[in-house]
Amino acid sequence: GDSVTQTEGLVTLTKGLPVMLNCTYQTTYSPFLFWYVQHLNEAPKLLLKSSTDNKRTEHQGFYATLHKSSSSFHLQKSSVQLSDSALYFCALPSSGSFNKLTFGAGTRLAVCP
Amino acid sequence: EAAVTQSPRSKVAVTGGKVTLSCHQTNNHDYMYWYRQDTGHGLRLIHYSYVADSTEKGDIPDGYKASRPSQENFSLILELASLSQTAVYFCASSGQGAYAEQFFGPGTRLTVL
Repeated sequence: GDSVTQTEGLVTLTKGLPVMLNCTYQTTYSPFLFWYVQHLNEAPKLLLKSSTDNKRTEHQGFYATLHKSSSSFHLQKSSVQLSDSALYFCALPSSGSFNKLTFGAGTRLAVCP
Repeated sequence: EAAVTQSPRSKVAVTGGKVTLSCHQTNNHDYMYWYRQDTGHGLRLIHYSYVADSTEKGDIPDGYKASRPSQENFSLILELASLSQTAVYFCASSGQGAYAEQFFGPGTRLTVL
């Protein structure tokens, strides 16, 4: 079945450093991938999404490129800020129903001063 | 702006008791969802609905029922609450199009004692 893997549970970085959060997926159809972000005690909200192979998608300083050849959609930022501390989820629509999402376990990003 | 509200925001229930979590959306969206969030598991889909008076099972429906009496309202019912159902529950809504963004409510923290 469809699945999303996020290998890092926690990433801790100093402010100003670059970050990459890993996301790989398995599906039987042409994928559409999402990144959602959840700040502490808040609701998850969409950060960015893509279905175009090898095209970089950007939003709020974050960017990701869907690579179908490696089934990956890693989230990156060139210089993290304290406000980027949050839980980040990668998500994939279900092949059975494109309105259903399968979420990865999430990666918590902690940015230190 | 799109809005999804949930009530109550937190609840303590006793094992074996009945719990009803409510969700209301003013987005005019057809799809509504119930997720639970546990550390290390990300967001897991319990039930969803794409039209009033109809609900569908998600990935982890056991122990939960859902009710969609109108387009705006979607409830999650725990008939016999158990310790393992202690979690944070999120409601979300989305439009009808495939790969539509999901808008989440603020969450309900449920503790079963």
